[in-house]
Amino acid sequence: EIVMTQSPATLSVSPGERATLSCRASQSVSSDLAWYQQKPGQAPRLLIYGASTRATGIPARFSGSGSGTEFTLTISSLQSEDFAVYYCQQYNNWPLTFGPGTKVDIK
Amino acid sequence: QITLKESGPTLVKPTQTLTLTCTFSGFSLSTSGVGVAWIRQPPGKALEWLALIYWDDDKRYGPSLRTGLTITKDTSKNQVVLTMTNMDPVDTATYYCAHRASGNYFNFFDYWGQGTLVTVSS
Repeated sequence: EIVMTQSPATLSVSPGERATLSCRASQSVSSDLAWYQQKPGQAPRLLIYGASTRATGIPARFSGSGSGTEFTLTISSLQSEDFAVYYCQQYNNWPLTFGPGTKVDIK
Repeated sequence: QITLKESGPTLVKPTQTLTLTCTFSGFSLSTSGVGVAWIRQPPGKALEWLALIYWDDDKRYGPSLRTGLTITKDTSKNQVVLTMTNMDPVDTATYYCAHRASGNYFNFFDYWGQGTLVTVSS
């Protein structure tokens, strides 16, 4: 099983600032990496797939990068609606696995 | 417009079998490439993929630690059913069904149901 780790666990950011979230895989997943956003009481929302492709309707301030074992989600200028938990998921190997999440909260 | 909705019991007793139904619209599980998954999330914890069924009835299951899972589909009813035997309090979670994105090897999820909280307690 591929183990996904995310850092930091919590990221405190002021509105308008840049946020950089990291995701690491225990072995290479190529570019088979997705990012999701989850707000309290809501289902996850797909943000990024293929490590760097924004899903339909996702604002350009969200960007993804990386390949192999190291990935980054960047939110260029945090808006109030971006404060949430972010999960990465690899789909290169079975079983599909998610990271533990990074909570982005208001500084 | 794709929508999914989970239904089933909110409370089950330990050792019982849980049966959850995902009813969807906006796509067909008889269309090539389509898949539906079950994913759960214990309170305050991370997401855990449980199972995925494809249009051709191919099935994949999640962590080997969690045995007793069965996923089935009823194409005519636009439903996917997950059964979990021998439920334990650690299985308390919100259970989501989700639509697999279209594309070869695209085993990620672009549409999700609202989720249903299942509590395991005597």
